[in-house]
Amino acid sequence: NAGVTQTPKFRVLKTGQSMTLLCAQDMNHEYMYWYRQDPGMGLRLIHYSVGEGTTAKGEVPDGYNVSRLKKQNFLLGLESAAPSQTSVYFCASQGTGVEQYFGPGTRLTVT
Amino acid sequence: AQSVTQLGSHVSVSEGALVLLRCNYSSSVPPYLFWYVQYPNQGLQLLLKYTTGATLVKGINGFEAEFKKSETSFHLTKPSAHMSDAAEYFCAVSPTGNQFYFGTGTSLTVIP
Repeated sequence: NAGVTQTPKFRVLKTGQSMTLLCAQDMNHEYMYWYRQDPGMGLRLIHYSVGEGTTAKGEVPDGYNVSRLKKQNFLLGLESAAPSQTSVYFCASQGTGVEQYFGPGTRLTVT
Repeated sequence: AQSVTQLGSHVSVSEGALVLLRCNYSSSVPPYLFWYVQYPNQGLQLLLKYTTGATLVKGINGFEAEFKKSETSFHLTKPSAHMSDAAEYFCAVSPTGNQFYFGTGTSLTVIP
């Protein structure tokens, strides 16, 4: 039981490049979330999903897209990376309770 | 909109001293309340949560928090700090149970 895993752990992009971050959970959870964490700002919700095939915008969705084609996976895409998207990205999942389970994070640098 | 305020972005305590991390929230109804801990280069781990019932909640590693509705507070305490408690602590609120709002975090330093 791996819980929530994130791929990759680190990535450096040039401005304008694209990439996809993968989040996978093996707990059969319905809810999944993508957050970004910036110094002094805590965690801010980018997008979330309440089930397979559904997605919704969070607090800071601009510049990101997501997809939830399979229940266990939640993908976060950056179509044209900008330096403002340099951050640590966390994925979380949630089952029938109110507790979220977090992945280890992806550290992204955009130069 | 919900907001969560953590007073003090950095707190230092001596080993063995009381730990008190403050959290206030804005909500018109009693929400779900959480404290998470983040160790360097790791994800967030749940320390404790308040859903309903007893307002004093005990969590892991000797931490506890008290929900005070009249003060809209959910402060985190531990009677005696240990070196291993040094980490970043986040308070979070959820009015519905599936949208979460996090505070900006408090970095705890434990001085030997």
